[in-house]
Amino acid sequence: KAGVTQTPRYLIKTRGQQVTLSCSPISGHRSVSWYQQTPGQGLQFLFEYFSETQRNKGNFPGRFSGRQFSNSRSEMNVSTLELGDSALYLCASSLALIRGDEQYFGPGTRLTVT
Amino acid sequence: AQKITQTQPGMFVQEKEAVTLDCTYDTSDPSYGLFWYKQPSSGEMIFLIYQGSYDQQNATEGRYSLNFQKARKSANLVISASQLGDSAMYFCAMRPSGSARQLTFGSGTQLTVLP
Repeated sequence: KAGVTQTPRYLIKTRGQQVTLSCSPISGHRSVSWYQQTPGQGLQFLFEYFSETQRNKGNFPGRFSGRQFSNSRSEMNVSTLELGDSALYLCASSLALIRGDEQYFGPGTRLTVT
Repeated sequence: AQKITQTQPGMFVQEKEAVTLDCTYDTSDPSYGLFWYKQPSSGEMIFLIYQGSYDQQNATEGRYSLNFQKARKSANLVISASQLGDSAMYFCAMRPSGSARQLTFGSGTQLTVLP
């Protein structure tokens, strides 16, 4: 069974630009969550999508948005990039069970903002 | 609000020995799940083990076991017979039971296995 895939793996953008990251979950997984990882703040939850609906959102500005498609693939978008947005962006998928529900992570997209 | 504390920024262990990585948590949720992930230098987060707050027995997965002490709010990871490939960053995380998938992570422990 294929794992979680994320594209692109690496990205370099300039301040003020926008970026779209993609995540394809494990087949059959309906929940996709996004996390930002930085050396200073560690791993922080961005948002979760389930059945094309945002179910939960972390404490990030409105420049960060996402969506999920009917095939469970998800995208996240960051507009008006800032230097502080440089990070590893990880997505995780799960079956969305109530208990014992492991989240499996993709390899991440490393975004550098210059 | 949930909080995870990992007090060991770095740990060293000799190959083939066992090592315990500490994790304490704080939550007001009556039901929750605890997770451990491994992150090698490549960046991918690898799921290791899960423990539900109402599970009677400590979770085990191969060389990994979770020493769950609910009253102390601790969920330490024990790795037996360490291997060189175990060198990585290890994160403890928790999530409330229910529909939300939001994981709260600790700051991590960098484990180095020495030959």
